[in-house]
Amino acid sequence: LAKTTQPISMDSYEGQEVNITCSHNNIATNDYITWYQQFPSQGPRFIIQGYKTKVTNEVASLFIPADRKSSTLSLPRVSLSDTAVYYCLVAPLKTAYSGAGSYQLTFGKGTKLSVIP
Amino acid sequence: NAGVTQTPKFRVLKTGQSMTLLCAQDMNHEYMYWYRQDPGMGLRLIHYSVGEGTTAKGEVPDGYNVSRLKKQNFLLGLESAAPSQTSVYFCASSYVTGTASTNEKLFFGSGTQLSVL
Repeated sequence: LAKTTQPISMDSYEGQEVNITCSHNNIATNDYITWYQQFPSQGPRFIIQGYKTKVTNEVASLFIPADRKSSTLSLPRVSLSDTAVYYCLVAPLKTAYSGAGSYQLTFGKGTKLSVIP
Repeated sequence: NAGVTQTPKFRVLKTGQSMTLLCAQDMNHEYMYWYRQDPGMGLRLIHYSVGEGTTAKGEVPDGYNVSRLKKQNFLLGLESAAPSQTSVYFCASSYVTGTASTNEKLFFGSGTQLSVL
């Protein structure tokens, strides 16, 4: 699986847009990029996933440049409740035909986002 | 819809004691995972299962055993607890389909805080 690098921590004021960038220089052609969010004392939660260009949902946007060697998670107008750890993962598609144990997702240390009032 | 439920939520053990952590999911997912999370370490995969009756080792399996007798349950056992096993344990489940457009999305439980004295 492709190695990812993301900042250890970030601070932001309420109401600002936050962009968290993840580097994945050795991403493979069939790899997807997925972001998870983890609040204190909870398990991670899927936020968004993409392959190229831009993906947007009700929570965030994901920007992926043409070379796909990095990706940026964008959180619009953050609030205190967005304080969490954000994980970037890069992995290929897994289907029912991938075979048992084809790969297993590994979470790095993530980016700890602190939103300041 | 309960999703992924872990029991117990907290437990304190003495060195050498044994215990079993239970994970139950009601989403009919094929894949189930056990992770541990330590401060500054991210999540590390202990064991996983790709279906009823099958289990496999993850990144840090030593000192743990697992069983998947029923599709909805995944048990993590500590035969002789050690202080190094003090951690927060997360269970997750996921599904995959046969279509190439589907990628894996993990659903996590709320965790079990285990302390070994």
